[in-house]
Amino acid sequence: AQSVTQLGSHVSVSEGALVLLRCNYSSSVPPYLFWYVQYPNQGLQLLLKYTTGATLVKGINGFEAEFKKSETSFHLTKPSAHMSDAAEYFCAVSEFDNNDMRFGAGTRLTVKP
Amino acid sequence: DTAVSQTPKYLVTQMGNDKSIKCEQNLGHDTMYWYKQDSKKFLKIMFSYNNKELIINETVPNRFSPKSPDKAHLNLHINSLELGDSAVYFCASSRRLAGGQETQYFGPGTRLLVL
Repeated sequence: AQSVTQLGSHVSVSEGALVLLRCNYSSSVPPYLFWYVQYPNQGLQLLLKYTTGATLVKGINGFEAEFKKSETSFHLTKPSAHMSDAAEYFCAVSEFDNNDMRFGAGTRLTVKP
Repeated sequence: DTAVSQTPKYLVTQMGNDKSIKCEQNLGHDTMYWYKQDSKKFLKIMFSYNNKELIINETVPNRFSPKSPDKAHLNLHINSLELGDSAVYFCASSRRLAGGQETQYFGPGTRLLVL
């Protein structure tokens, strides 16, 4: 079965600094990969997803992620952090032939003024 | 328009009670899910329903039972609530395509507190 590991349960950056949230996956078949964001006391919101095609995926709010098969990674980045980016971020993987989606444990992003 | 909705948003109840959480989606999706998010924010899939058939059932206690009256609804019924059931429960839905799975859309979550 597929699985996801998010490195770092808590990441802190300064406003304007680069955001890098790490995600590695394990899958026996080509994966579908997702990043979700959860703001305090709110539900999950899809940031971006990779299914097939271009490996660099652009999402909402200036985030992007690159699928690297050789590294089994799908790290999330944003060139310049905003205070409003403070939230919990979840990486998830599913396989093309089933509905089972596996989530990472989440990374809490803190943005300092 | 809300795509995936859950009711109630908050639920506080006593240990031993039976409660239900409702989920509805207006996306025309054929698969719906329930996830449990624990205090450490870790999400774990509990159930998924596809065309009224349970296709995934993780090691969830049988006190939890999903009920799907139609494709647009997947309710979660919990018997004999325990303290450890306190968590946020998320409903989600997706469409199964010939080439694979479409993105899952999540509801806002139901915050359950068992006292």
